[in-house]
Amino acid sequence: QSVLTQPPSASGTPGQRVTISCSGSSSNIGSNTVNWYQQLPGTAPKLLISSNNQRPSGVPDRFSGSKSGTSASLAISGLQSEDEADYYCAAWDDSLNVGVFGGGTKLTVL
Amino acid sequence: QVQLQESGPGLVKPSETLSLICTVSGGSISSYHWTWIRQPPGKGLEWIGYIYYSGSTNYNPSLKSRVTISVDTSKNQFSLKLSSVTAADTAVYYCARYKNYSYGLDVWGQGTTVTVSS
Repeated sequence: QSVLTQPPSASGTPGQRVTISCSGSSSNIGSNTVNWYQQLPGTAPKLLISSNNQRPSGVPDRFSGSKSGTSASLAISGLQSEDEADYYCAAWDDSLNVGVFGGGTKLTVL
Repeated sequence: QVQLQESGPGLVKPSETLSLICTVSGGSISSYHWTWIRQPPGKGLEWIGYIYYSGSTNYNPSLKSRVTISVDTSKNQFSLKLSSVTAADTAVYYCARYKNYSYGLDVWGQGTTVTVSS
């Protein structure tokens, strides 16, 4: 059971906008920033969004993040076939004193 | 450009100690937190712990009694030891780094698969 809660799956058609939610608590998302990672099949995770809404260099602006209270969201606009991957949210948990992850959301591009 | 590379045995017997090394190339090991994360087959990511370049450590409480992370700055390497392994420790093990957790784990190794089996 993951500390952060994500839907196990999401889907959309090319060009569509999809959002992935991430729910936590006051000890993690509620008091710390959220990062998002993209994991393409058979590869290591890649940092997609940091500090709630910052895109590292090279990440397309189709990807955006937001946070409100103890929840966060990742939005992908102009969906492309290469966006098909697993997406993980992450935050520091002050109570556990560890990094915590969501269970991951498998995005399917129909 | 900094790169990380995990190395170590791909097969470990139950009750033995899993040992992995992460080699940092293209940059210094200084001023970063160096972490180990694992992913069991078909499952999500699990934080194992980190070591700061100065030597201070942090471990997941669920693994703390079995985990040791150490750093060798002269070799630009850090290592993971996980004792008394069981089949539940079978996973892809990743090393990664971060400067400030808010900025995220910005560089990852490719991962190495460790299977616990007799």
